[in-house]
Amino acid sequence: EPEVTQTPSHQVTQMGQEVILRCVPISNHLYFYWYRQILGQKVEFLVSFYNNEISEKSEIFDDQFSVERPDGSNFTLKIRSTKLEDSAMYFCASTVGGNYGYTFGSGTRLTVV
Amino acid sequence: QKEVEQNSGPLSVPEGAIASLNCTYSDRVSQSFFWYRQYSGKSPELIMSIYSNGDKEDGRFTAQLNKASQYVSLLIRDSQPSDSATYLCAVNRRGGNTPLVFGKGTRLSVIA
Repeated sequence: EPEVTQTPSHQVTQMGQEVILRCVPISNHLYFYWYRQILGQKVEFLVSFYNNEISEKSEIFDDQFSVERPDGSNFTLKIRSTKLEDSAMYFCASTVGGNYGYTFGSGTRLTVV
Repeated sequence: QKEVEQNSGPLSVPEGAIASLNCTYSDRVSQSFFWYRQYSGKSPELIMSIYSNGDKEDGRFTAQLNKASQYVSLLIRDSQPSDSATYLCAVNRRGGNTPLVFGKGTRLSVIA
């Protein structure tokens, strides 16, 4: 069964450093998303991406965040200057479109120290 | 008002029983509804989707939707210890590919 692949699985970074989280969506999917989940909290929407541009973003997705699809397969989330409160699981998700649910990747656990 | 609300649990049921998980949503024009299962430390896994009022069955799972009451439920028949997880209700408020909004989840514990 096709999978959404995320790397790394765990990243520890110092406050103020830049991190890039990587995702390879399912190949025939067209819509891509980043969500995050702080420990014990709900899954929160960050940004959606379609046709090589951001289609929607949440209040969480401020100027510290950016997304890119640098080639035909990868989809990245960059956090420019990490804060302690950015510590969370970050999930990439994709969907073929329509009203199909998302397929989530296995996540990257980001720990900011 | 919270957009998608779930009882956080834990909901404990004996093995073989029916587990009933409930979810309410605030936006009346919401169009599609999803149940995800999330094991501790893992990513959400899609179990069921439902778009029309009524019941939808898939194996041991039945999703129920009542748009007039803004209520979605998930029934798990013949519950197994492996069903022990957090169940997330997600709502697509505007249809199409607009972002899903998740509830906080209900933790289910199936006791052997």
